[in-house]
Amino acid sequence: DTGVSQNPRHKITKRGQNVTFRCDPISEHNRLYWYRQTLGQGPEFLTYFQNEAQLEKSRLLSDRFSAERPKGSFSTLEIQRTEQGDSAMYLCASPGERDTIYFGEGSWLTVV
Amino acid sequence: GEDVEQSLFLSVREGDSSVINCTYTDSSSTYLYWYKQEPGAGLQLLTYIFSNMDMKQDQRLTVLLNKKDKHLSLRIADTQTGDSAIYFCVTGKLIFGQGTTLQVKP
Repeated sequence: DTGVSQNPRHKITKRGQNVTFRCDPISEHNRLYWYRQTLGQGPEFLTYFQNEAQLEKSRLLSDRFSAERPKGSFSTLEIQRTEQGDSAMYLCASPGERDTIYFGEGSWLTVV
Repeated sequence: GEDVEQSLFLSVREGDSSVINCTYTDSSSTYLYWYKQEPGAGLQLLTYIFSNMDMKQDQRLTVLLNKKDKHLSLRIADTQTGDSAIYFCVTGKLIFGQGTTLQVKP
């Protein structure tokens, strides 16, 4: 258990529907990252928060994607009007001790 | 942009040593990481090395860093079937390689 919690773990949705994933990071750490991983690929950076502020966004994050971290604690990643190409595992990461980075178990999204 | 390169596949026999290599372009990383991912699972932090170190040993794992050549390697001694997984080399900017699939044959 890395201390980073993600839910739901699995989500199957119809194309065109909206989905939201939640990440609860290791407490008392102000940085939080979202990544996306498709089959056979390494994780790709999506976005990064420091406290409530979203400091970096990848160009992979189209305008259908939005991420928030309203109180600098948990974060949500919403995908609107899902497409089949959005099918992937969405990973959240948070720093632990000595700048080590811990990942959650991920949220699998399947768009049918 | 920054890049991390790894070979895609390595096959070894149980009990042998495995060596997974990685080259990267980011010269500003304070730490470099190795993550392990088993099928269908999330990413497990395996080990990491501070950029001013050449070597770090942690039980069966040895990490070697050649900062001049930007080359990182992970050696697993006495490889077991439970070590079968994908191994990712990751820079301090959290840029991932494509991962090396380690297959351990009994």
